[in-house]
Amino acid sequence: LAKTTQPISMDSYEGQEVNITCSHNNIATNDYITWYQQFPSQGPRFIIQGYKTKVTNEVASLFIPADRKSSTLSLPRVSLSDTAVYYCLVGENNAGNMLTFGGGTRLMVKP
Amino acid sequence: EAGVVQSPRYKIIEKKQPVAFWCNPISGHNTLYWYRQNLGQGPELLIRYENEEAVDDSQLPKDRFSAERLKGVDSTLKIQPAELGDSAVYLCASSFRDYGTDTQYFGPGTRLTVL
Repeated sequence: LAKTTQPISMDSYEGQEVNITCSHNNIATNDYITWYQQFPSQGPRFIIQGYKTKVTNEVASLFIPADRKSSTLSLPRVSLSDTAVYYCLVGENNAGNMLTFGGGTRLMVKP
Repeated sequence: EAGVVQSPRYKIIEKKQPVAFWCNPISGHNTLYWYRQNLGQGPELLIRYENEEAVDDSQLPKDRFSAERLKGVDSTLKIQPAELGDSAVYLCASSFRDYGTDTQYFGPGTRLTVL
C-alpha cells in the first residue's frame, strides 16, 4: 500500500494558482493517483485522477512526472470557495488499496 | 441525479447506548463504503460492500460495530454499545466498480457525539 505525504497546510490569495504536491515514493505499477476535496461538514468530493503525465479537467490539472514518485495538483486562479482540505490517494482501482486517506492538505484562500 | 443520502445528519447519545446510521447510495452503484472521520483527520475505511457482500471489513471493530446491506442497496451501520471514543463523523460512499475507475461519491455524513 503506497503511502502518501502532503503538506499539512497551505495559504494562498484569490486569483493565484495553487500547486499541492504529494509524494508517493513506493507507488506500484498498477497504482493510480486520485485527489479528493473536502469542505467542512461535507463528504470528500472527487477532483481528478491520473496515471502518468498530465490530466486536465474543468476543475484542476494533475501533473505526474515520469518516475511517478510524486504528483502535483494544480488549481488555477483560486477563489475563496476553494478553501478546503485536499487529499491525495494512491492505489489500484480494483483492489481497494486506494481507500486510505492521509491527513490531507488544508488550503486557505485569503481575499 | 440524487447523491448519496445519509440520515440522521446529527446524533447525540450517552455512552453505552446503541445508535444506527442509514445510507442510501446512488442508484446503480454496486459498491458501498462506510468510513469514520475523526476531527482533523482523513476518513478511515470501516467496511466495503460489493453488492450485498462485505468484502473488506478488517477495520470494523466487530465487538461493537455491525453493518448490513440488504438487497445490495441501502445500508445500516450500528454501534452497540457506543463509547466516548466513537464520537466522529460517519461517512457513506458509493461507486460503480468496473475495470476502469472507481470514483467514490460521498454523502454528507452523520456527526455522532457520545456523551
